[in-house]
Parts: sequence; structure tokens; C-alpha cells
Amino acid sequence: ETGVTQTPRHLVMGMTNKKSLKCEQHLGHNAMYWYKQSAKKPLELMFVYSLEERVENNSVPSRFSPECPNSSHLFLHLHTLQPEDSALYLCASSQGTSGRGEQFFGPGTRLTVL
Amino acid sequence: AQSVTQLGSHVSVSEGALVLLRCNYSSSVPPYLFWYVQYPNQGLQLLLKYTSAATLVKGINGFEAEFKKSETSFHLTKPSAHMSDAAEYFCAVTEPNYGQNFVFGPGTRLSVLP
Repeated sequence: ETGVTQTPRHLVMGMTNKKSLKCEQHLGHNAMYWYKQSAKKPLELMFVYSLEERVENNSVPSRFSPECPNSSHLFLHLHTLQPEDSALYLCASSQGTSGRGEQFFGPGTRLTVL
Repeated sequence: AQSVTQLGSHVSVSEGALVLLRCNYSSSVPPYLFWYVQYPNQGLQLLLKYTSAATLVKGINGFEAEFKKSETSFHLTKPSAHMSDAAEYFCAVTEPNYGQNFVFGPGTRLSVLP
């Protein structure tokens, strides 16, 4: 595997389900990100992890719970979601968080909440 | 706080014509600027970036962008459009030493007509 991978690519869940999204980066980076991409809206930064510590949480509802067990893996745990949470969830990684290095994105997980 | 605007949510050009996608930013300090491309059902891929070196930046697939501080712009151009350029294009800005907070524009969908 190369770059940033995300599983699953597609997920359909009910509002009472609990599911997890997985992201893995094979680039040796030390920062990872979760973004939400909804139709007609700009990309929204949800969480940032640097050196496995959360450094940014942009007022995301508690029904989204991130986990970063090591610098290569990032999870997004989902529970009791709402239909408006349906979106493309993108994971990204970078070397450092200075902003000079670009972020590398995975292909995303298309989430549908029924 | 920084912000990005992209004039034109949808741009159509003929194959072989000039591509011009507009990006204007606001930032309290000299920024870093990026252009990303997103093909259907894929993540974002970096086209090019400006990080305070040369103001004319060349990227992949024949794209280039020029940083104009006086106009707070970072427009993306390509001399001759190809059918494979049809995609969504995002401009992003971040500030040095606060780089985890990439701010993306709303995106411009480029259509290339035969």
C-alpha cells in the first residue's frame, strides 16, 4: 500500500448504529487530519493529530470520536449519527503542522446515514 | 483568520482553450497557498503550492499559478485544456506556524467541452 488509505470506501448506517472509519498513512508523516466534505459546502476540518496528540477540534459534535493509536493510524468512531452527517469523510496526513508541507489525502469514505 | 474565495463555482472551457480558475485569499500574514484537484470518487491531489519562494509556481499536468500579493490572488492557469482536466479544483490557504488549519475554498468545477 502507498500513500493514504481509507476503509471502508462506502458505508451505510442507521442512526442507532456504531461504526468506525479507518485511515492509514504509509508516508512516514507525523500529523493526521479528518475532514468532512458535504455537497455545496467547503471542506470542513474536523480533527488534527500531531505526534498522536489531538491539537485541533473544530467544534465537532461528540457523536464523532477520533482515535490516533500511533502516527500511522487514525480512526473516526461514529455513534447515533444524524442524516445530515451523510458526507464524504476524508483523511489526510502531513509532515509537521507548520503549513509549509502539503497534506496528502486518502480517497475518502462515502457515508450515508439513514 | 484566513479565508479563501473562488470566483465561479462552475467553469466550462473548450478542449484546447485556456483554463483560468480564480482564487483570492485573506490572511493577516504572508500565507502559504495550495491548489488541489479532486476527480470523482477520489480524494484531493496536490497540483502545486506557494511557500514564499518564486511567485510563479509550476505544478503537475501543465498547471501553474502566480502569487500576487497586491491583489491577494493565486489564480490557476493552464494554456490548453484537456478532457482529462475535468474535475473539481480547490484553493487552500494556511499561515506559517499555524499550518494545521488549512482553509479551503468552496471549489470550482471545471468542465471541458469537446
